[in-house]
Amino acid sequence: DSGVTQTPKHLITATGQRVTLRCSPRSGDLSVYWYQQSLDQGLQFLIQYYNGEERAKGNILERFSAQQFPDLHSELNLSSLELGDSALYFCASSPQGRGGYQFFGPGTRLTVL
Amino acid sequence: AQSVAQPEDQVNVAEGNPLTVKCTYSVSGNPYLFWYVQYPNRGLQFLLKYITGDNLVKGSYGFEAEFNKSQTSFHLKKPSALVSDSALYFCAVRDAGNTPLVFGKGTRLSVIA
Repeated sequence: DSGVTQTPKHLITATGQRVTLRCSPRSGDLSVYWYQQSLDQGLQFLIQYYNGEERAKGNILERFSAQQFPDLHSELNLSSLELGDSALYFCASSPQGRGGYQFFGPGTRLTVL
Repeated sequence: AQSVAQPEDQVNVAEGNPLTVKCTYSVSGNPYLFWYVQYPNRGLQFLLKYITGDNLVKGSYGFEAEFNKSQTSFHLKKPSALVSDSALYFCAVRDAGNTPLVFGKGTRLSVIA
């Protein structure tokens, strides 16, 4: 158990819908990262937050957005869903320090029908 | 920009034999290198990291990795493979600071009894 929790585990929805994925980082970790894992694209970085502020942006679509709240949990919002958005979405957190590695949550499997 | 290459999609090895999973990287500055393992329907688990120091890094479950600066490689090794090592292995790199990881495409390791 990495200490990073994600809900829900599975999500099945229809095209055009909007969903929210939730992540709670390990206690004390200020950085939260979101990654998307799909068969054709592999593991891709979406976005990073640090202590409530956006720190880095990767290959995140405009239909997707995220935020980190004062209690440090984070939410990833996916809207106008398309079939190609079906993937595993991982959240990770990391402690301060140069040597810190990222702890990954169990992921949310999103299926868009 | 950072990048990671895992040249083999699949590695097959007999139980008890040594295994190697290859990884090469490209990064400006000093690399921070990581190996993660993903079991079916699970999140990514941290195996080991190289930040600085000894080129041979020892990690979890008997795995080790050798950092080779001249060849820009960070191959994962284990002296004696177990069937339970069968999983998807990811090499990742980042630069200094709590920046996002850049992952390779992953190598599926199959250990045959």
